[in-house]
Amino acid sequence: DVKVTQSSRYLVKRTGEKVFLECVQDMDHENMFWYRQDPGLGLRLIYFSYDVKMKEKGDIPEGYSVSREKKERFSLILESASTNQTSMYLCASSPTPTGNSPLHFGNGTRLTVT
Amino acid sequence: SQKIEQNSEALNIQEGKTATLTCNYTNYSPAYLQWYRQDPGRGPVFLLLIRENEKEKRKERLKVTFDTTLKQSLFHITASQPADSATYLCAPLRVGGYQKVTFGTGTKLQVIP
Repeated sequence: DVKVTQSSRYLVKRTGEKVFLECVQDMDHENMFWYRQDPGLGLRLIYFSYDVKMKEKGDIPEGYSVSREKKERFSLILESASTNQTSMYLCASSPTPTGNSPLHFGNGTRLTVT
Repeated sequence: SQKIEQNSEALNIQEGKTATLTCNYTNYSPAYLQWYRQDPGRGPVFLLLIRENEKEKRKERLKVTFDTTLKQSLFHITASQPADSATYLCAPLRVGGYQKVTFGTGTKLQVIP
């Protein structure tokens, strides 16, 4: 089974801190994604990557950046955390870019910014 | 702009009945449509994928239909069980380019014993 592991289950940070959320997948997938999930708004795509060192903006990239130095690892960076970035963050991977293969999700990181 | 709509309210049904969840999309033509299940505090888990040239797909007690004319997919759970209680998400996807996978907001299903 594909395993997508997010480094922290819960995280509490202060406003203005730089925050790193880490995600590792063990199936050699090309594509990796970062979403945030908020009540009433559903899953919203922040960034995705279809190859090492490649990235594409999703629907809500403002305030975030990403890094993909190795195929298995995709990091989400909050340059200066703000309270409106309090959310559940979900990482996912998939083997192909074409939509005919499923996304495999991690169990999420619940980030609270105070 | 693209829009994906799922039943915004929770769906409560009696155990043993068939649950039907709706996914409507506008302003694009997906080649695939995926359905996921999400339990509280967990990431979504893939259930089924249906292609635009498939009208219906089944997997055990699950059935998905895809009507490209109506721009709608229906997700059915037959003989529902309390363990089916979860939020169900749909994700229509186009062909071509690198896929930004966009999800509906989900429908929360509660199966009452």
